[in-house]
Amino acid sequence: DTEVTQTPKHLVMGMTNKKSLKCEQHMGHRAMYWYKQKAKKPPELMFVYSYEKLSINESVPSRFSPECPNSSLLNLHLHALQPEDSALYLCASSEGGFPSSYEQYFGPGTRLTVT
Amino acid sequence: GIQVEQSPPDLILQEGANSTLRCNFSDSVNNLQWFHQNPWGQLINLFYIPSGTKQNGRLSATTVATERYSLLYISSSQTTDSGVYFCAASRAGSYQLTFGKGTKLSVIP
Repeated sequence: DTEVTQTPKHLVMGMTNKKSLKCEQHMGHRAMYWYKQKAKKPPELMFVYSYEKLSINESVPSRFSPECPNSSLLNLHLHALQPEDSALYLCASSEGGFPSSYEQYFGPGTRLTVT
Repeated sequence: GIQVEQSPPDLILQEGANSTLRCNFSDSVNNLQWFHQNPWGQLINLFYIPSGTKQNGRLSATTVATERYSLLYISSSQTTDSGVYFCAASRAGSYQLTFGKGTKLSVIP
C-alpha cells in the first residue's frame, strides 16, 4: 500500500480563522513533508520531518505551524492566513534513514481558499 | 540548491504519437522522480529513477546520472495522458526534492 491520505480535500477559511490540515501514512515511512503549490507552478517544499523531528523549514511564515504527533501523522496548523496563501497543499512521505529509498509518495492534497 | 530544468514547457500531440520529455539537473542526485499531475492535483508517481532505465507499459524513463539528465518516453499517447509532467530531484545526502517547472502535455483525438 503506497497511500498517503489528506483531509480535508477542500477548505475555505477567513483570515481570522484557525484551521488544521491532516496527513496520514501507514507505510512505516519516517520522513514526511509539506509542499505548497500555487496554480500553474510546481510544488515548493515547506517543511520536512525526519523521525518526528522538524529537520527543514524553508523560511515559511509563522502563520503556518507544522506538527508531527507520531510517525504516521503530520498536521499543518493555519492561523491568520492571507489571501495569497490560497493554494494546493500537498503532503508526502518517504522511507527516511540510510540506506533507504528516497522516493516520495504524495497525497491528493488539500485545496485551500483564504477569503 | 539543485536546479532542475524541463523541456519542452508545452507539447501538443495527436493521439497515437510518441514523445520524449527531458529533465536536466545541476548536481549529483540521490532521487530523481517523474510525476504526472492529473487535473485534480494528484501527483502520480511514474518512476523513481536516480540512474538507469525503467519501463512501465507505454512509459519508459532513462537517467544518465554522469551527464545529469533524464528522459521520459511516452509511446502511443492517449488522451488520458494529458496533464502536467514533473521531474523532481534531490541532491545526494538531502531529502529536499526540487521540482522542475513541468511539461504540459495535451493529447488530442
